[in-house]
Amino acid sequence: ETGVTQTPRHLVMGMTNKKSLKCEQHLGHNAMYWYKQSAKKPLELMFVYNFKEQTENNSVPSRFSPECPNSSHLFLHLHTLQPEDSALYLCASSLDPSSYNEQFFGPGTRLTVL
Amino acid sequence: AQTVTQSQPEMSVQEAETVTLSCTYDTSESDYYLFWYKQPPSRQMILVIRQEAYKQQNATENRFSVNFQKAAKSFSLKISDSQLGDAAMYFCAYRSRSGNTPLVFGKGTRLSVIA
Repeated sequence: ETGVTQTPRHLVMGMTNKKSLKCEQHLGHNAMYWYKQSAKKPLELMFVYNFKEQTENNSVPSRFSPECPNSSHLFLHLHTLQPEDSALYLCASSLDPSSYNEQFFGPGTRLTVL
Repeated sequence: AQTVTQSQPEMSVQEAETVTLSCTYDTSESDYYLFWYKQPPSRQMILVIRQEAYKQQNATENRFSVNFQKAAKSFSLKISDSQLGDAAMYFCAYRSRSGNTPLVFGKGTRLSVIA
């Protein structure tokens, strides 16, 4: 384990549901990230937070709403998703967002939208 | 925009043998970082090895080494003495050194290790 945990590990939801993904890191990092991993596609960066402030939103639809209450916790609120949103959602953290620093990944939440 | 290409969707290797995973990238920048990440089945993605573009010497981490060819924009990963635990998805990634730019990943190569 790398110190980044994600819950739940699996989630099945209907298109009208509202759910949240949670990420927690115990590494003392200040930057946190959400990625989407779809089959046969490169990982897609969704959001970046640095010291609780969102520094990047990679043209993500508004049905995905991130929240970072502190440097250790990151949420992804989901509502009215589409079946094509089914994917593995990965959280990561790093000491800061600078290029050199290694990003530590969580195990991911496998999301299925029916 | 930078792109990373992994031309081998799947590879296999006999246990104890050596395998090389290919990665090419496209960038107009001269200063950047390159990474190889490993994602075992149902487990967390971890960093395997990192290369700084301004360093000519190829990075090495135990059984893992890279062949970094800056002019050719090639960054292959060599795994020596392959072990069953090396079976995983391997992702090549690029990151510009300027500013807080995002990691750009390739699509990955699935490596199987045959006992």
